[in-house]
Amino acid sequence: GAVVSQHPSWVICKSGTSVKIECRSLDFQATTMFWYRQFPKQSLMLMATSNEGSKATYEQGVEKDKFLINHASLTLSTLTVTSAHPEDSSFYICSALTLEHEQFFGPGTRLTVL
Amino acid sequence: QKEVEQDPGPLSVPEGAIVSLNCTYSNSAFQYFMWYRQYSRKGPELLMYTYSSGNKEDGRFTAQVDKSSKYISLFIRDSQPSDSATYLCAMSGNQAGTALIFGKGTTLSVSS
Repeated sequence: GAVVSQHPSWVICKSGTSVKIECRSLDFQATTMFWYRQFPKQSLMLMATSNEGSKATYEQGVEKDKFLINHASLTLSTLTVTSAHPEDSSFYICSALTLEHEQFFGPGTRLTVL
Repeated sequence: QKEVEQDPGPLSVPEGAIVSLNCTYSNSAFQYFMWYRQYSRKGPELLMYTYSSGNKEDGRFTAQVDKSSKYISLFIRDSQPSDSATYLCAMSGNQAGTALIFGKGTTLSVSS
């Protein structure tokens, strides 16, 4: 299957700082990428849909100004958690959509905010 | 009623058993059905992908979709300890770029 990478795989930061997470489709172009958050023993919760060249679409309850998404190219989307707080600590996973409607996920980024 | 229902388990089976995992859904517009396997602290891995109704087989895995009953299944034959993971069903509608709706996941444990 197609390969999606995420960087970093884990990050620890202080409260109030910002953290950027990158999501890349390595062997295909993705006009649409998705960002999910997953808490322990919970399923994936969709945060936003990222479309190349346009503004992201956020799910209800997700703060646009806190979770900044930029889909700069057909292979790269970034999620920036601004002014992170301990309650933002979670597992953040991106996925990329192929032309055949398959979604391939990245390995995830574990964020811990102290 | 949630859009996608999946029994979280846990499900424990001995090595070599046939495993049956299921999901039900309420939205008749769903056309794309997927099963993902997720190991602890890893991203989900796409196992099976089915469009509309029917069966699909890949090695030890068989996916079935019954749109009339709004019911999908994943069968694992000759289960192995390495199959121990959480299995997530996911589905989406017919519009291009539609996000997946996930079940809560079923935790499977295969003992040797």
